[in-house]
Order: sequence, then C-alpha cells, then structure tokens
Amino acid sequence: DIQMTQSPPSLSASLGDKVTITCQASQNINKYIAWYQQKPGKAPRQLIRYTSTLVSGTPSRFSGSGSGRDYSFSISNVESEDIASYYCLQYDNLWTFGGGTKLELK
Amino acid sequence: QVQLQQSGAELAKPGSSVKISCKASGYTFTSYDISWIKQTTGQGLEYIGYINTGSGGTYYNEKFKGKATLTVDKSSSTAFMQLSSLTPEDTAVYYCARIRVAFDYWGQGVMVTVSS
Repeated sequence: DIQMTQSPPSLSASLGDKVTITCQASQNINKYIAWYQQKPGKAPRQLIRYTSTLVSGTPSRFSGSGSGRDYSFSISNVESEDIASYYCLQYDNLWTFGGGTKLELK
Repeated sequence: QVQLQQSGAELAKPGSSVKISCKASGYTFTSYDISWIKQTTGQGLEYIGYINTGSGGTYYNEKFKGKATLTVDKSSSTAFMQLSSLTPEDTAVYYCARIRVAFDYWGQGVMVTVSS
C-alpha cells in the first residue's frame, strides 16, 4: 500500500500570506495526486487533480507542483475563505489520503 | 448538476448493523464507480472500498473486509453501504464519492454514532 505523509499537520497564516503544504508518497505516484479542501461540517471539495490541474471553479491563488514522491500545494494571498483543512490524495494505485493540514488564521 | 445525496444520521447500538444510502443525480449513474470513505477525528480520511455501478463488482480496503458491504440499485441510481457488527470504533462520518480517477464529487456525509 502507498503511504502519504502530509506536513505540517497545522499551519497558522495571516491574510495575504503564502502557505505551502507538502505530501510525500512512499513510492513514485507518477503525478497522480489531488488536493482537497474541507470546511467544518462539509464534505471535502476537490481543488486540484494530476498534481497541478485546477478543477473548474478553483481560484488561481491555489497551485500544485511536484513529481516522483514529492508534491506540494500552495495558496498565495490567503483569504479568510481559505481557512479550512486540506488533504492530499494519491490515486496512482488505489487511493490513499494524507493526514491533513489545518489552516488557521494568525 | 452532479449530486450525491446521502441518507440521514444513524444512532446504532453495539453489535447491530446500519445501511446508508447514496443517491446519484445529474449524470449517468453507471458511467462512474462509487467509493465510500470514513472520516474520524483520530484517523482522518480512510478509503473503505468501491463498487462498479454497472456490474456491481466490489473492492474493499483490507481493513474494512467483513465490516462493510457495498451494493448498488441501478434502477434508482443509488449505492448502499451496510456496516455490520458495529463497535464504538465505527463512530464516524461516512461519505460516498464518485470516482472519476480521483474522487470528484462527494455526498454530504452521514454521521454514524455507535453507543449503548
């Protein structure tokens, strides 16, 4: 099974900051990684698929990059509506989620 | 628009079973498989398994074999998950999600609480 190590578990940012979350897979996942946003009491919402492809409706301040085992997700110019938890998901071999990152306002 | 509408919250006693549903709309149901995902505070998001909505074929995460049973009713575009021999460790929010390579659309989630 592929393991996904996501860091950091929590992040504190001010409005307008740039923040970055990373996910490391236990093996090469060939860029098959997606990123999700989850707000309290809501289902996760897909933001990015295939490492860097923004899903329709995802603001351009969100971005993703990476290859092989190492991937990152960034939010430039954090807005109040971005306060949420974020998860990576590998889908190269079945599916495995990262442990999540809770983004809070400083 | 694509929607996955799940059934309501469940309160169940240890040792019992629950069956939750996920009704799809806005697309051809049998064109995409449905997955089920468990979310707890301690364990985060865990993939339970998936069902081929056309054939009814299933695949289960080893951890959930014997715990979850996935079925589908094509006539009503509804997927079901039965959880059996419930214990307090099964208390969680359960989501269904459409598989389009990754999980693109999700149901709103069902809170299952196991308590005597």
